Amino acid sequence: QTVVTQEPSFSVSPGGTATLTCGLNSGSVSTSYSPSWYQQTPGQAPRTLIYNTNSRSSGVPDRFSGSILGNKAALTITGAQADDESDYYCVLYMGSGIWVFGGGTKLTVL
Amino acid sequence: QVQLVQSGAEVKKPGASLKVSCKASGYTFSSYAIHWVRQAPGQRLEWMGWINGGNGNTKSSQEFQGRVTFTRDTSASTAYVELSSLRSEDTAVYYCARRDSSGSQYFEYWGQGSLVTVSS
Repeated sequence: QTVVTQEPSFSVSPGGTATLTCGLNSGSVSTSYSPSWYQQTPGQAPRTLIYNTNSRSSGVPDRFSGSILGNKAALTITGAQADDESDYYCVLYMGSGIWVFGGGTKLTVL
Repeated sequence: QVQLVQSGAEVKKPGASLKVSCKASGYTFSSYAIHWVRQAPGQRLEWMGWINGGNGNTKSSQEFQGRVTFTRDTSASTAYVELSSLRSEDTAVYYCARRDSSGSQYFEYWGQGSLVTVSS
């Protein structure tokens, strides 16, 4: 069974940089998985941040960026702000019309 | 502009079925699939599957196979997800979503979510 792994929690200081990762329980994440990233605050629908590994969705500030780091996809938030405190989810496209969400990372800014 | 508007909150008894709707507007319904994603309280987002708005083909996550049905009404530009044999663990917010126009493998548009509570 495919499991997409994310850090359950991550803490960053205001103005600091947070790099959240998205891996696979077996194998490496590459651009062929078309990693995408979503931000979700309590009670709200997810908001798309990054797609196709490193493309920013419309209206997303450029302090959010995506990449492949080693064998994982990564979401980097530079100059973290208080309102970045949210849950972040990655999604991988597994092929054959199947997508899998990661477990999510709860980002704390303090 | 693309909008996905979902049905309201429901309470269901264990063993019953749920049916959530997702009305699409702002685009040609038959040109895109509608995906379904759910989120139990305090838990992760979970991809359930999709239905092709045009030909009605479907795909579901193995997790839900045998218990989930996706349907659509093209005349009403509405997609539905039905989940049977409900148990308390199916209490969740159910979201519909649509991929972007370029065919990239991500979800650009989201419905507002529909809370389904399974309780006796």
